[in-house]
Amino acid sequence: DVVMTQTPPSLSVAIGQSVSISCKSSQSLVYSDGKTYLHWLLQSSGRSPKRLIYQVSNLDSGVPDRFSGTGSQKDFTLKISRVEAKDLGVYYCAQTTHFPRTFGGGTKLELK
Amino acid sequence: VQLVESGGGLVQPGKSLKLSCSASGFTFSSYGMHWIRQAPGKGLDWVAYISSSSGTVYADAVKGRFTISRDNAKNTLYLQLNSLKSEDTAIYYCAKGYRFDYWGQGVMVTVSS
Repeated sequence: DVVMTQTPPSLSVAIGQSVSISCKSSQSLVYSDGKTYLHWLLQSSGRSPKRLIYQVSNLDSGVPDRFSGTGSQKDFTLKISRVEAKDLGVYYCAQTTHFPRTFGGGTKLELK
Repeated sequence: VQLVESGGGLVQPGKSLKLSCSASGFTFSSYGMHWIRQAPGKGLDWVAYISSSSGTVYADAVKGRFTISRDNAKNTLYLQLNSLKSEDTAIYYCAKGYRFDYWGQGVMVTVSS
């Protein structure tokens, strides 16, 4: 199975601060079609997960450009610029290149 | 897009339960679908996938006990849970598409005597 290692497990931030979350996979996430199926999800408190970014760097509709995703092969980063209160929650990376699908352990973003 | 799960509840170990996920707002028959679960206070745990052509893949932890299926005429995804164990206690989410495009609100399954 592909192990997704996400760090840090938690982040305390002030509103307006920028943060980065790392996600490293135990195997390359490049599929045979040449695409990389690494996605970022946000689970706000008491809610179901919502995808923010798909295939490393593509923002979902309605996601502000304060969010950005970068990376390749086995090493990926989510950056949030100018954090707002509505950004708080648990962020997960997820891979859909390999079966079984796997998730990072999550990064809890909370207010300082 | 809307995904609405139902069928959860409290069930004894060894018993069965069937979850449903009613889909709307997209052409259900054209998309693969997933079930993913989240134990209380824990992270996300992928359970099963069914392709648009009804090919299936399961996590090892549920293989032989759970069955994913779909009824395209009813725009509904199912998960049959048999031989339930306490460690199957979780919120179960259905999710659309190969890339987890959209998620339902989830349904709670509690396995306890």
